[in-house]
Amino acid sequence: NAGVTQTPKFRILKIGQSMTLQCAQDMNHNYMYWYRQDPGMGLKLIYYSVGAGITDKGEVPNGYNVSRSTTEDFPLRLELAAPSQTSVYFCASSYGRGRSYEQYFGPGTRLTVT
Amino acid sequence: DQQVKQNSPSLSVQEGRISILNCDYTNSMFDYFLWYKKYPAEGPTFLISISSIKDKNEDGRFTVFLNKSAKHLSLHIVPSQPGDSAVYFCAAIYADNFNKFYFGSGTKLNVKP
Repeated sequence: NAGVTQTPKFRILKIGQSMTLQCAQDMNHNYMYWYRQDPGMGLKLIYYSVGAGITDKGEVPNGYNVSRSTTEDFPLRLELAAPSQTSVYFCASSYGRGRSYEQYFGPGTRLTVT
Repeated sequence: DQQVKQNSPSLSVQEGRISILNCDYTNSMFDYFLWYKKYPAEGPTFLISISSIKDKNEDGRFTVFLNKSAKHLSLHIVPSQPGDSAVYFCAAIYADNFNKFYFGSGTKLNVKP
């Protein structure tokens, strides 16, 4: 199993550009999540999904969009990038209720907006 | 409003000694607590967890203690090894809303050989 994979690893965007961060998992997890981590801070939840076709906002959703067309994939879209979106982005997945609450994380995407 | 706090940004310990990482929380309704470990350029990996109905959980060199009256949990690593050098995050969840993890800001542990 590859676990949770994320692409790209690094990206530099100009202000106003758009991009999609890719995330995929091969553990057949129903639940998937996007977090951002700013320097010296904990992880903040951006969006999450409890299954294909179902997404919901987390703590810091502004400036982002998500979709979940398959169980495996959960891309994060940044529209009109701003310097405040400079961060490290982590995707995670979990089994969900009735199983371990543990979330499995991908390696992260480091994004710089200049 | 940070509901989970790790007040020590860093900790340095000699190899073979005990490492104690602390975490405080404000909401007594949390049901479950987890510790994650993170190496540079990698995602966090799960280390150990504890339910709010317990006060201790042990897994090898790692033990988590929960003091509900003080709203405090701690992670003990005994004996500490250089490979334990990483950033450690604590997280808390409600069982009814387990998708939402409340993370602390992390403590960077350095284990000196």
